[in-house]
Amino acid sequence: GESVGLHLPTLSVQEGDNSIINCAYSNSASDYFIWYKQESGKGPQFIIDIRSNMDKRQGQRVTVLLNKTVKHLSLQIAATQPGDSAVYFCAATGGGNKLTFGTGTQLKVEL
Amino acid sequence: EAGVAQSPRYKIIEKRQSVAFWCNPISGHATLYWYQQILGQGPKLLIQFQNNGVVDDSQLPKDRFSAERLKGVDSTLKIQPAKLEDSAVYLCASSLVPGISTDTQYFGPGTRLTVL
Repeated sequence: GESVGLHLPTLSVQEGDNSIINCAYSNSASDYFIWYKQESGKGPQFIIDIRSNMDKRQGQRVTVLLNKTVKHLSLQIAATQPGDSAVYFCAATGGGNKLTFGTGTQLKVEL
Repeated sequence: EAGVAQSPRYKIIEKRQSVAFWCNPISGHATLYWYQQILGQGPKLLIQFQNNGVVDDSQLPKDRFSAERLKGVDSTLKIQPAKLEDSAVYLCASSLVPGISTDTQYFGPGTRLTVL
């Protein structure tokens, strides 16, 4: 089965700096990857996704990079703001829309 | 557009009692999911419905957990009897297109269950 793991349980950054959250997955057949943001007391909120036929995708202030060779993806947040403080999960699916989530990285933004 | 609705938001019960959670997905979404999220972990899929049929319940502890989606819209998840290790947040999600791996799942706020 798929396993997904994040490299760091906690990441602290200064407001205005860029944040990079890393994630590794195990199943080379995974074809779709998603980053979710979860604030305290809320459900996961979709941030950005990427398909396996791409290696980079950009959104508003966020970029996801996918390296299929080493089964690694990252989420980059530009100009991190206090409102970005949350737990970030990467998730992968290998078909049938079954998502496997990682354990999450707590992003703390310091003023 | 209204999001995924869940109730109750919080529930405290004693072990061996029963409990039920309710979910109303986004209107028109064919696929509905129930996840269990233990503190400090990512969500784990319990069951997936497509319309009113079960697609995947391989990780549902069927001796105590049950779920239904009788009319293909809202859904209930039941635990009977509850154990201490069932303490978690139970998340409901829905997606529009059935069977498509790239279809985005939208999550509700969850129900936080505490079993004493």
